[in-house]
Amino acid sequence: QSALTQPASVSGSPGQSITISCTGTSSDVGRYKYVSWYQQQPGKAPKVMIYDVSNRPSGVSYRFSGSKSGNTASLTISGLQADDEANYYCSSYTSSSTWVFGGGTKLTVL
Amino acid sequence: QVHLQESGPGLVKPSQTLSLTCTVSGGSINSGDYYWSWIRQPPGKGLEWIGYIYYSGSTYYNPSLNSRVIISIDTSKNQFSLKLSSVTAADTAVYYCAKTIIARLVFDPWGQGTLVTVSS
Repeated sequence: QSALTQPASVSGSPGQSITISCTGTSSDVGRYKYVSWYQQQPGKAPKVMIYDVSNRPSGVSYRFSGSKSGNTASLTISGLQADDEANYYCSSYTSSSTWVFGGGTKLTVL
Repeated sequence: QVHLQESGPGLVKPSQTLSLTCTVSGGSINSGDYYWSWIRQPPGKGLEWIGYIYYSGSTYYNPSLNSRVIISIDTSKNQFSLKLSSVTAADTAVYYCAKTIIARLVFDPWGQGTLVTVSS
């Protein structure tokens, strides 16, 4: 199972919006609603920000939103803040009953 | 609030077996609502799902690691464990345990992670 494809880096200024894409195949992202996004601060464990493509866990800011079209999922962060700076990983359940992650995207807040 | 904590040796010699334990607190591991997973992250790289175990003891592993992985569970201790055999330097990584919510197929929460280095 190949990793999902994410851009290596994105950047934005405080207050702006950014979008991170996550491209898979018809066997994972395109097939299931089980796409999730994780935020990983340096030296910390990943934390779920979005599950089931577009749902936010309790306690996650409304500024984080998710969507999917075909084999590509997206994470949008609006009203960028300094503490949003982190690595972001997408993940999808697959037709092989496994999970696959993206390579990660480093978000820099300028 | 469930909390997970990994424990085990931080250094393993090549060709030996890596062994880690995840202790779950704040909730019972003996629940049909969750899988209990292991995920790893080589230094500076992305995440790789290793496998999971269900409270009944049934398991499912990443096919790329299947022949070397065993995950077990001890419900009396509220713990589950990972064994990875015949390790090489490529198995050097931070190893995380995580609760997997079956209804959402999402990993939440994760343990803090433990670095395992494979070196002689």
